[in-house]
Amino acid sequence: KNEVEQSPQNLTAQEGEFITINCSYSVGISALHWLQQHPGGGIVSLFMLSSGKKKHGRLIATINIQEKHSSLHITASHPRDSAVYICAVKGGAQKLVFGQGTRLTINP
Amino acid sequence: DSGVTQTPKHLITATGQRVTLRCSPRSGDLSVYWYQQSLDQGLQFLIQYYNGEERAKGNILERFSAQQFPDLHSELNLSSLELGDSALYFCASSPLGTAAYEQYFGPGTRLTVT
Repeated sequence: KNEVEQSPQNLTAQEGEFITINCSYSVGISALHWLQQHPGGGIVSLFMLSSGKKKHGRLIATINIQEKHSSLHITASHPRDSAVYICAVKGGAQKLVFGQGTRLTINP
Repeated sequence: DSGVTQTPKHLITATGQRVTLRCSPRSGDLSVYWYQQSLDQGLQFLIQYYNGEERAKGNILERFSAQQFPDLHSELNLSSLELGDSALYFCASSPLGTAAYEQYFGPGTRLTVT
């Protein structure tokens, strides 16, 4: 079993839909990162959180430390949101462990 | 634009060869992280340098090595290349030495070993 599991692996939705991507982890962590990887390969850091909730534009990330679970939500989804979303956790060591990614496709 | 630069963007080389990938962090960032992304393994942490010193090591093969120079740029050296080393190699930088801070990713170097 991987330390970081994301679901779903693939998600296709229509423009305007509310999107939720989930990340579960099995180790104690001090930080969780959500990353976005564009079709061209570039990676952008969306959020880093250790508790609670963060919001940036149409993106919201939440984390429940007790349940070892985080969610990334996208409101009013748009085709430009199509990308791979990757969850990564920092455990005790100075390194990130990555989930396998969720491939999101938003159709117009 | 994250402010992190990586060169070259693409690299095609043959098995058994050696290559050097270069990364310049954002101005003021002291940490550089190297990651490998292959099709079957996803993103994996290789190694971290902080202010010139190795800080953390991940799944880095003995054929690979890295260093961070006084001007804080970093190089990842890959030797005795195998077909399985074909991957995207990213570096990322952050201000401090802990992975609990946001990291800024470079555009990546796509390595193809033939």
